[in-house]
Amino acid sequence: NAGVMQNPRHLVRRRGQEARLRCSPMKGHSHVYWYRQLPEEGLKFMVYLQKENIIDESGMPKERFSAEFPKEGPSILRIQQVVRGDSAAYFCASSPGLGASTGEYADEKLFFGSGTQLSVL
Amino acid sequence: GQQLNQSPQSMFIQEGEDVSMNCTSSSIFNTWLWYKQDPGEGPVLLIALYKAGELTSNGRLTAQFGITRKDSFLNISASIPSDVGIYFCAGQRTSYDKVIFGPGTSLSVIP
Repeated sequence: NAGVMQNPRHLVRRRGQEARLRCSPMKGHSHVYWYRQLPEEGLKFMVYLQKENIIDESGMPKERFSAEFPKEGPSILRIQQVVRGDSAAYFCASSPGLGASTGEYADEKLFFGSGTQLSVL
Repeated sequence: GQQLNQSPQSMFIQEGEDVSMNCTSSSIFNTWLWYKQDPGEGPVLLIALYKAGELTSNGRLTAQFGITRKDSFLNISASIPSDVGIYFCAGQRTSYDKVIFGPGTSLSVIP
């Protein structure tokens, strides 16, 4: 399966624990986005990364939330000291970034994973 | 900040009917996108639009990039039960900017 892979699919944490959500982008994709979705709501932008660099984190809460996309391995969204309000579906998407073959910037073509449903007890 | 608005919020239609929904913004966007989300899954890209006035089709789906670059429209012809889901518009101001999403239009198709 060459799609965007997110794990775990479901994650249950107690208040105060840490949550780590993983995202492996599609092969050849250099950019990763994280979005948060509450029930009956749209996708709220959180952070936009390329390998070893955060491009835009304007949607990330200032405290407790962090994201990384290391040179090797998946992108990680980390939530420290979770609270009940953190319960949501977290979606990762990847994009090609600069098209190596075409030279065209195709960053808008986001391909989404199936999401991680975080439940905080 | 940037915000996209979608209307209607929800629609209930008979199978076979045509559907229209739209997306508006107070800002100009260079790219408009339409996604569909099924329950429990991530959104799937339906159509991407890059030029003002552009009209693009994908099977029974047709989308248009508004002339003002502040809106976009999606039409679904001859709806079928599998069209049920939430349709999101998304926009990108420039090639190096983040992609933001509207709140979605929920579509229900009555057989």
